[in-house]
Amino acid sequence: NAGVMQNPRHLVRRRGQEARLRCSPMKGHSHVYWYRQLPEEGLKFMVYLQKENIIDESGMPKERFSAEFPKEGPSILRIQQVVRGDSAAYFCASSRSVRSSYNEQFFGPGTRLTVL
Amino acid sequence: DQQVKQNSPSLSVQEGRISILNCDYTNSMFDYFLWYKKYPAEGPTFLISISSIKDKNEDGRFTVFLNKSAKHLSLHIVPSQPGDSAVYFCAAILSGGSYIPTFGRGTSLIVHP
Repeated sequence: NAGVMQNPRHLVRRRGQEARLRCSPMKGHSHVYWYRQLPEEGLKFMVYLQKENIIDESGMPKERFSAEFPKEGPSILRIQQVVRGDSAAYFCASSRSVRSSYNEQFFGPGTRLTVL
Repeated sequence: DQQVKQNSPSLSVQEGRISILNCDYTNSMFDYFLWYKKYPAEGPTFLISISSIKDKNEDGRFTVFLNKSAKHLSLHIVPSQPGDSAVYFCAAILSGGSYIPTFGRGTSLIVHP
């Protein structure tokens, strides 16, 4: 009964490169949420996806960031042309449904992105 | 424009004593509140929640109190144990909206043996 899986756990990129972060939700969960935690900050919501659909991307920067959750495979958060300010911990959470999700979001261990 | 504020970045408590973590919010429309606990190198885990129709919710050593008029909630841990040492995040939800929690910046609790 695996929990939410994220990989890689640590990712180092140089400025201008692309970062791809992967998230596999818990079995039976079809809702995925991405959060970003900057140093000394709380978790900030980025995007909420269901299979093949973006439901809410109000927290995601308009440029360079994109997310997908295909029918098969993990959810991907993609950051193009990374800058130093993208250095943060990125957490994925999953839930079974949305209305019961507020106390049933299960978080992954996070991916720590460092941009050199 | 932080809607959920945890003004104490850290708290140090002796084992066996009470830990009180505080959280303030600005949006009176929030109607569901949660506390998450986070250990280093792990994701947050849900700890306890409270609906705005209640003023107290208790689960073992953990109790959350809600004061709606003051827009304030607190998490009490008693007795505190060294294993409680972690970062605690307060979060608030607008259930008539997107159900996405808004998080505070967290309070780092250290419980000394």
